[in-house]
Amino acid sequence: NAGVTQTPKFRVLKTGQSMTLLCAQDMNHEYMYWYRQDPGMGLRLIHYSVGEGTTAKGEVPDGYNVSRLKKQNFLLGLESAAPSQTSVYFCASIPDWGGTGELFFGEGSRLTVL
Amino acid sequence: AQSVTQLDSQVPVFEEAPVELRCNYSSSVSVYLFWYVQYPNQGLQLLLKYLSGSTLVKGINGFEAEFNKSQTSFHLRKPSVHISDTAEYFCAVSGIEAAGNKLTFGGGTRVLVKP
Repeated sequence: NAGVTQTPKFRVLKTGQSMTLLCAQDMNHEYMYWYRQDPGMGLRLIHYSVGEGTTAKGEVPDGYNVSRLKKQNFLLGLESAAPSQTSVYFCASIPDWGGTGELFFGEGSRLTVL
Repeated sequence: AQSVTQLDSQVPVFEEAPVELRCNYSSSVSVYLFWYVQYPNQGLQLLLKYLSGSTLVKGINGFEAEFNKSQTSFHLRKPSVHISDTAEYFCAVSGIEAAGNKLTFGGGTRVLVKP
């Protein structure tokens, strides 16, 4: 039972490089989210999706793009990486907002931008 | 919009002692409240939640939290901690009718249980 899987788990980039983080969930969840975690700041929402083909901006969307072409996958892209994007990125999903409130998280992707 | 303040960034505690992690929130609408736990090098998992009903909520691993609407607080407690409770704990809030149903997280409280 894989749940939410993030790839890659670790990546080092140089300033200006681009990359894509992949989030895959096998639970047929409608809602998917990308968060970044920084010390003392908790988790901040970057982008989210309420269904296949839809995306929306969260709290800190600048410098990131997302796509949800398939229901099970939610991609987070960095077009031109900056040192300020050094962080741990978490993907999460939820079936719908039926009231359980339980987000299912991946194990995180640690990104370092030099 | 909602915001969450976790009043303690770190809480050292001895094994078998009680612990309380403080969480205050602000919101102009009714809210759902959550506590998540993150063990080292792992993602977050749900500890407990308040949706409605009894203001005292019991979660996994012996944790409980009390919703106090007048004080806009949702403090987490455990009467006797174990070494395995060493982790970071996050309080989170969502407006009941929030568009996109987004959770807003606090800054986290790191609990270090000492033998």
